[in-house]
Amino acid sequence: KAGVTQTPRYLIKTRGQQVTLSCSPISGHRSVSWYQQTPGQGLQFLFEYFSETQRNKGNFPGRFSGRQFSNSRSEMNVSTLELGDSALYLCASSFAGGDGYTFGSGTRLTVV
Amino acid sequence: GENVEQHPSTLSVQEGDSAVIKCTYSDSASNYFPWYKQELGKRPQLIIDIRSNVGEKKDQRIAVTLNKTAKHFSLHITETQPEDSAVYFCAASNGMDTGNQFYFGTGTSLTVIP
Repeated sequence: KAGVTQTPRYLIKTRGQQVTLSCSPISGHRSVSWYQQTPGQGLQFLFEYFSETQRNKGNFPGRFSGRQFSNSRSEMNVSTLELGDSALYLCASSFAGGDGYTFGSGTRLTVV
Repeated sequence: GENVEQHPSTLSVQEGDSAVIKCTYSDSASNYFPWYKQELGKRPQLIIDIRSNVGEKKDQRIAVTLNKTAKHFSLHITETQPEDSAVYFCAASNGMDTGNQFYFGTGTSLTVIP
């Protein structure tokens, strides 16, 4: 079966711009989580969506937002980009939460 | 909230030797502990997990142990091979009721020397 698909794979944006990342979970998975991965901070939790509802949120500013659609696909939006937002953004899905994730390959965001 | 600490940050072993990575957690409500392997430029992949009602779990050369009293869990890799070289992350979660938020350790970069 298809894995977790993230698009695009790479993005270069300018400070102040906004960006939208997309994640399609494994078919049947209803929980989608987003993480930011940087060399210095490791894997930092952004938020989790389950059945179109945000169920958990990490400690990121309001510039980071997300949503989930009825088909479980999820999008993450970052507004007013800062240089420090450069990172690998990973999406992960699981059936219902409480079990192990399957990660996507990530979107590498570079802010210049 | 939960705090997961992981040690060591880097580990080098000779091929065929064993490798042990240790993690501690702070929240006694955590009940699910997965381990992920991330090779360079690739996605993290789940390699083994353990739930709080089990003390040990094995899968071929990989094993995980959990000590709930001491709030620590460890990954053991025996007969290491060069393809085991990667960054390993531990994580802790308190399960489904409050959502699926995993708290990750900072990672251990394992190098297996041929």
